[in-house]
Amino acid sequence: EAGVVQSPRYKIIEKKQPVAFWCNPISGHNTLYWYLQNLGQGPELLIRYENEEAVDDSQLPKDRFSAERLKGVDSTLKIQPAELGDSAVYLCASSSRFGDPYEQYFGPGTRLTVT
Amino acid sequence: GNSVTQMEGPVTLSEEAFLTINCTYTATGYPSLFWYVQYPGEGLQLLLKATKADDKGSNKGFEATYRKETTSFHLEKGSVQVSDSAVYFCALAGGTSYGKLTFGQGTILTVHP
Repeated sequence: EAGVVQSPRYKIIEKKQPVAFWCNPISGHNTLYWYLQNLGQGPELLIRYENEEAVDDSQLPKDRFSAERLKGVDSTLKIQPAELGDSAVYLCASSSRFGDPYEQYFGPGTRLTVT
Repeated sequence: GNSVTQMEGPVTLSEEAFLTINCTYTATGYPSLFWYVQYPGEGLQLLLKATKADDKGSNKGFEATYRKETTSFHLEKGSVQVSDSAVYFCALAGGTSYGKLTFGQGTILTVHP
């Protein structure tokens, strides 16, 4: 079984530029999560999807961040414009409706550096 | 709100040493507690969990007991191996934030031969 796939693995951009991250969850997992992980910190939830619906986006900074999961499978997280403080690792995770919702499967993350 | 505090790291041990990584939490109600592990270059993966007080989660020789009276969920292993070198995250879930995991800051473990 393939794991959660994320791309790119690394991204370096200049501030004020846009950037997008892509995630493909484990096949059949209906719940998808985007987390932000700052250096030396644990992941913090940005947004949670149940199928194509964003059911918890309370921690997503909506002035510059957006996300979509149009067909309830893969998802894209976008930042526009990026700021220096956005440098971090962006993690995607998924879980199955038939299992424990807290048994989440994480991708390797995208490390963003904003210069 | 919910929060998790882990012991300061990094932790460096010799192979076969005893490991303890402390974790305490603050939460309303009766949360479930988890340890996740992140090996170098890989995504986080669930190591063990406990869903109610006095439960003991165990996996791969690691154990943690849900102690409600001390609001703790310390991770232990009797004899660590070099392959246990990783970052360990304590996390909790529950209350009004269904589906949301709250993580501690992580503890880096390095095991030397």
